[in-house]
Amino acid sequence: SQQGEEDPQALSIQEGENATMNCSYKTSINNLQWYRQNSGRGLVHLILIRSNEREKHSGRLRVTLDTSKKSSSLLITASRAADTASYFCATDGSSNTGKLIFGQGTTLQVKP
Amino acid sequence: EAQVTQNPRYLITVTGKKLTVTCSQNMNHEYMSWYRQDPGLGLRQIYYSMNVEVTDKGDVPEGYKVSRKEKRNFPLILESPSPNQTSLYFCASREQVGDEQFFGPGTRLTVL
Repeated sequence: SQQGEEDPQALSIQEGENATMNCSYKTSINNLQWYRQNSGRGLVHLILIRSNEREKHSGRLRVTLDTSKKSSSLLITASRAADTASYFCATDGSSNTGKLIFGQGTTLQVKP
Repeated sequence: EAQVTQNPRYLITVTGKKLTVTCSQNMNHEYMSWYRQDPGLGLRQIYYSMNVEVTDKGDVPEGYKVSRKEKRNFPLILESPSPNQTSLYFCASREQVGDEQFFGPGTRLTVL
C-alpha cells in the first residue's frame, strides 16, 4: 500500500515563484526522502530527513518534517523551468527491510 | 562515476518468453532492490537484497525472481512474462538500510 500521500497532485507556477508540496504518511518512520523524476526517467534523490530532524536545507530546497502530524513538506524557492518534474516523498519505515514506500507524487510545471 | 546501471533500457517481448533485466552498481552497496512503477499505483517494491545470497520478497513479487551472487549485480528474472508485467522497472541500491537510495535509469518493458 502507498503510505505517502502527496498534495497537491499537480501544481503549475511561473518561473521565480516558490513551489510547496506536502506529504502525509501513516506509520512510524526512520526517515523520509524526497525524489524528483523527469518524465519517464529515473528517480533522483533530493534530500533525506531523519525522524529526529525538523527541517533541512539543500540549495533551493527546504524540507520540513512533523512526526506528530505525520507530514512533511518540500519547498522549492525561486523555481526554474528546469524544476519541471514529478516529486515523490518516500518513507523509510522501522521494519529494517529497507523498503521505501512512495507516494503518488506531485507533478510540478514551471512556466518560463 | 557512482551509478546504478540497468539493461536493457527498453524491451518489447511476447508472453511466456523468459527475460532478464540486469542491474549493476559500482558503489559497493550492500542493499539492492527492484521496483516497478505503474500509473495510478506509484512505485512498488518487487524484491530486495540485504547482501550477497540474501534476498527477500517485497510487495509484488509474483512472477519475478532475483539472485544476488555478487555484491554489485542484482538481476531481475521474468520466467514467463505476462502482459500485466508491462511496466517501468527501476533497480536501486543503498549503502545500508536508512541511507539514501540511488536509482537506475529504468527499464521500460512491454509484454505483448
